[in-house]
Amino acid sequence: AQSVTQLDSHVSVSEGTPVLLRCNYSSSYSPSLFWYVQHPNKGLQLLLKYTSAATLVKGINGFEAEFKKSETSFHLTKPSAHMSDAAEYFCVGYNYGQNFVFGPGTRLSVLP
Amino acid sequence: GAGVSQTPSNKVTEKGKYVELRCDPISGHTALYWYRQSLGQGPEFLIYFQGTGAADDSGLPNDRFFAVRPEGSVSTLKIQRTERGDSAVYLCASSSGTGGLDTQYFGPGTRLTVL
Repeated sequence: AQSVTQLDSHVSVSEGTPVLLRCNYSSSYSPSLFWYVQHPNKGLQLLLKYTSAATLVKGINGFEAEFKKSETSFHLTKPSAHMSDAAEYFCVGYNYGQNFVFGPGTRLSVLP
Repeated sequence: GAGVSQTPSNKVTEKGKYVELRCDPISGHTALYWYRQSLGQGPEFLIYFQGTGAADDSGLPNDRFFAVRPEGSVSTLKIQRTERGDSAVYLCASSSGTGGLDTQYFGPGTRLTVL
């Protein structure tokens, strides 16, 4: 069975500063990994996904994530936070033939 | 085009009642997923349809929960004898492919409150 851990339940950054949202996974074999964003009263939206191609994945809105097998991590980063980035972020793991497993989420606050 | 829609957006019911939650996927999407999101937690997988059949229902918590997709499009999640612990946001997602790597498009969810 696999699990996904998001180490921070809440991250607060100032507008224009870098964002780092951490995700670690536990799996018997290399999973596919995703980051989804959930804005209030809106549906979950895919930011990016890793599917065993390039380990550095670029997504929408300037986000990117790097798959590091040695650290079992898939942290989400953005060089400069914008007020519109304030939302809940979920790291998701998937192994073929199994279910999607969501992490508990990290709430990102962006301060003016 | 239209995204995934879910009705109702909110549902309040009393303990012991029966409820139905509806999901309209994106037109042409063959895969449909149901998730449950409790307060302060990430979504939890319930069931996955490929076409009309339930390809994986291992996430359904017990036999009070049942879902159908009779024509391979609209799906209904049915909950019998509701309990207070069933209160959550129920999310539906659809995707165009047959593999798990295809992008899932989520609806806004139905917030179920069991009093």
